[in-house]
Amino acid sequence: AQTVTQSQPEMSVQEAETVTLSCTYDTSESNYYLFWYKQPPSRQMILVIRQEAYKQQNATENRFSVNFQKAAKSFSLKISDSQLGDTAMYFCAFMKLALYNFNKFYFGSGTKLNVKP
Amino acid sequence: NAGVTQTPKFQVLKTGQSMTLQCAQDMNHNSMYWYRQDPGMGLRLIYYSASEGTTDKGEVPNGYNVSRLNKREFSLRLESAAPSQTSVYFCASSEGLAGPTDTQYFGPGTRLTVL
Repeated sequence: AQTVTQSQPEMSVQEAETVTLSCTYDTSESNYYLFWYKQPPSRQMILVIRQEAYKQQNATENRFSVNFQKAAKSFSLKISDSQLGDTAMYFCAFMKLALYNFNKFYFGSGTKLNVKP
Repeated sequence: NAGVTQTPKFQVLKTGQSMTLQCAQDMNHNSMYWYRQDPGMGLRLIYYSASEGTTDKGEVPNGYNVSRLNKREFSLRLESAAPSQTSVYFCASSEGLAGPTDTQYFGPGTRLTVL
């Protein structure tokens, strides 16, 4: 079974600073995908960034980047130049790639990020 | 293009009452999902529909039923609500392809309270 662990229930960062959110996962699969989703107070889940496990290069999306350590099964999210609008709950998710079958997602328990002015 | 929509946004039920949560997507996605989100826990999959005409149980299906009405709509029904079903419910959809582009798109959620 796949498990996703986010060990930081809540974090704070000053506006314009950098913060890193941690995520570890457990799987015996070799081919999978990892995601970070953002959930602002509006509650709608928004995709932040996606990483394919077969790619060694870390994914980046503007101010968001990941540090993907496949051997360590670690997938952290770095937010640079934090903005007030980054205040949200962040979920790490794992997707097992199932050929000719349904792709299941597994979510961590979330990290609440507070960006302070 | 509204994405994934859910109704209602809020609902309060008494124990034993029934209700149906509605979900619709306009992205022509094949797969749809229902999750519940409880404090301190990640999203847990209740039911999913890999494609139109099929539904399957997820991690926590007890006390729920679903209907994939057509490709666009996927409803979740609570036949006899219990306080343990107090939660925030999210509907999501994805292309459902067995490939790298299968990203889930979520609705805004429904906050359900069962008294």
